Amino acid sequence: DAKTTQPNSMESNEEEPVHLPCNHSTISGTDYIHWYRQLPSQGPEYVIHGLTSNVNNRMASLAIAEDRKSSTLILHRATLRDAAVYYCILRDRTGGFKTIFGAGTRLFVKA
Amino acid sequence: DGGITQSPKYLFRKEGQNVTLSCEQNLNHDAMYWYRQDPGQGLRLIYYSQIVNDFQKGDIAEGYSVSREKKESFPLTVTSAQKNPTAFYLCASSIGQGVEKLFFGSGTQLSVL
Repeated sequence: DAKTTQPNSMESNEEEPVHLPCNHSTISGTDYIHWYRQLPSQGPEYVIHGLTSNVNNRMASLAIAEDRKSSTLILHRATLRDAAVYYCILRDRTGGFKTIFGAGTRLFVKA
Repeated sequence: DGGITQSPKYLFRKEGQNVTLSCEQNLNHDAMYWYRQDPGQGLRLIYYSQIVNDFQKGDIAEGYSVSREKKESFPLTVTSAQKNPTAFYLCASSIGQGVEKLFFGSGTQLSVL
């Protein structure tokens, strides 16, 4: 199963943009890149996903490298409520049911 | 509102006891999953089910059992064979096509007395 690599932690100032990186060098052509975030003592929450093209929604933007071996989750203006653990995972139509979550990136936001 | 409900939020197990964690969804999703999360760690897959009356072992199925008799329900039993059951347990569901997004419950914290 293809895996992802993320930094253990990152820090940001409130109201500044945050770029959370993810490496997935063994990604296959059918893998979708998903991002989730988890607040303490809660279940993860879906943020965004994409295949090849960059994606935007009300929560964030997803920038996917041309070779698809890396991606970046962009929070345009970090707030204190964005402090969470962010997970980058891969899902495909065949192995998607065995989605693997790594330890993720813990984002700290300073006021 | 549609969603996933896990109960109870906190559960305590005595030595040698089996306990069952409940997971119910009203999203009409075919696929359901159970994950275990230890402090400071990511999620590890215990069992998953793609359709009613069918389920598959994940990476850490030993000491756990599940059933999927109804589409909306996927209970997890932590048996006495699971020697280190203290963890945060998360249930999730998805439409079932593999690439669709996961919806998670709010979790159950299981502790051993």
